[in-house]
Amino acid sequence: DARVTQTPRHKVTEMGQEVTMRCQPILGHNTVFWYRQTMMQGLELLAYFRNRAPLDDSGMPKDRFSAEMPDATLATLKIQPSEPRDSAVYFCASGLVPDGGLQETQYFGPGTRLLVL
Amino acid sequence: GIQVEQSPPDLILQEGANSTLRCNFSDSVNNLQWFHQNPWGQLINLFYIPSGTKQNGRLSATTVATERYSLLYISSSQTTDSGVYFCALTDSWGKLQFGAGTQVVVTP
Repeated sequence: DARVTQTPRHKVTEMGQEVTMRCQPILGHNTVFWYRQTMMQGLELLAYFRNRAPLDDSGMPKDRFSAEMPDATLATLKIQPSEPRDSAVYFCASGLVPDGGLQETQYFGPGTRLLVL
Repeated sequence: GIQVEQSPPDLILQEGANSTLRCNFSDSVNNLQWFHQNPWGQLINLFYIPSGTKQNGRLSATTVATERYSLLYISSSQTTDSGVYFCALTDSWGKLQFGAGTQVVVTP
């Protein structure tokens, strides 16, 4: 049963520390998304990759957030330095865009619950 | 960007009851998905439904793209149906735009 995996599942850290979240997309998927969920803002798209290339990261605070895909099996989201307002659940999702086709269903990982003190 | 409005914002059901959740959207879209976020936070795909009607067990969904709305039907609700139901639309770049969700509580 293929699924998106995320690590860590929970992270508590102090303000100013670096946080790295990892995601393993479903094998064969060519799109990866990072979302953030908070009570106030709901689900927000932070970054979007297709075939490992970043297509859109306009939803991400550039000064402290960075997203990369070192290879097709790993996506990372890094916050440096972290702030209390970054506390949220961070979801990774993957999907497939066939050649010449449209984005199909996105599958979400279990999320990383981040608390910055 | 695309505006996605869901109604009602909250819903309390007694076990066994039926209900309809609605999703209105502001622009033509390539596709639409319904998700269920369970009380543990997991987001589960329910339907990928750009148009037409689909059924999966006690759940079914209908999207009328020309009129810019989609409906999610829950029949014979169970306590395990509790959670938040999100409607999300995909733009031409494949980005999902989520609605605010409908919080459903099913009581025994």
